[in-house]
Amino acid sequence: TAGITQAPTSQILAAGRSMTLRCTQDMRHNAMYWYRQDLGLGLRLIHYSNTAGTTGKGEVPDGYSVSRANTDDFPLTLASAVPSQTSVYFCASSEGLAGGETQYFGPGTRLLVL
Amino acid sequence: GQNIDQPTEMTATEGAIVQINCTYQTSGFNGLFWYQQHAGEAPTFLSYNVLDGLEEKGRFSSFLSRSKGYSYLLLKELQMKDSASYLCAVRTPYNQGGKLIFGQGTELSVKP
Repeated sequence: TAGITQAPTSQILAAGRSMTLRCTQDMRHNAMYWYRQDLGLGLRLIHYSNTAGTTGKGEVPDGYSVSRANTDDFPLTLASAVPSQTSVYFCASSEGLAGGETQYFGPGTRLLVL
Repeated sequence: GQNIDQPTEMTATEGAIVQINCTYQTSGFNGLFWYQQHAGEAPTFLSYNVLDGLEEKGRFSSFLSRSKGYSYLLLKELQMKDSASYLCAVRTPYNQGGKLIFGQGTELSVKP
């Protein structure tokens, strides 16, 4: 079972360029999430989606947008990248929002913005 | 406000026991998770506590005290492969989006 896949694995991006990070899950989970992870700051939520067709802002949404056209896919777009968006990006999913429902993480995308 | 605190780094010896603490102050609470993350990899689920007390899973145990806003992860019979970052995360209530708020993680080094 693939679980959650992310693409690309890593990317070097020129400042000002746009980019879409892809995330696909095959577990039919309702909820999906995008986090960024930076040294000393831990995992911070960028955007989330509780179900297909709905999205919400997390702790650090500025400069990012998401869409959730179907259950399986949750792409994250950087419209005009800046160096502060250099980070490791993790996509995650969970069956729902109930307390004990675990979030499962994809392998991550390492992004360097120059 | 939301605040989750963990020690930044810990060192322990192979075969020993180590306790990683986590304190939290959040506007709502619907459970606490511990995740393990090896360098360069994704976080993986270790444990979940929603009621006070100890949950045991093999060499790993997790404890929760909701009145104190406190949890710990206990690792017994440490192995070299336990060297990793351990992340504490609090789940917000459903009416706050049911999101996970993560601490910055504790980097554990296990030495021979």
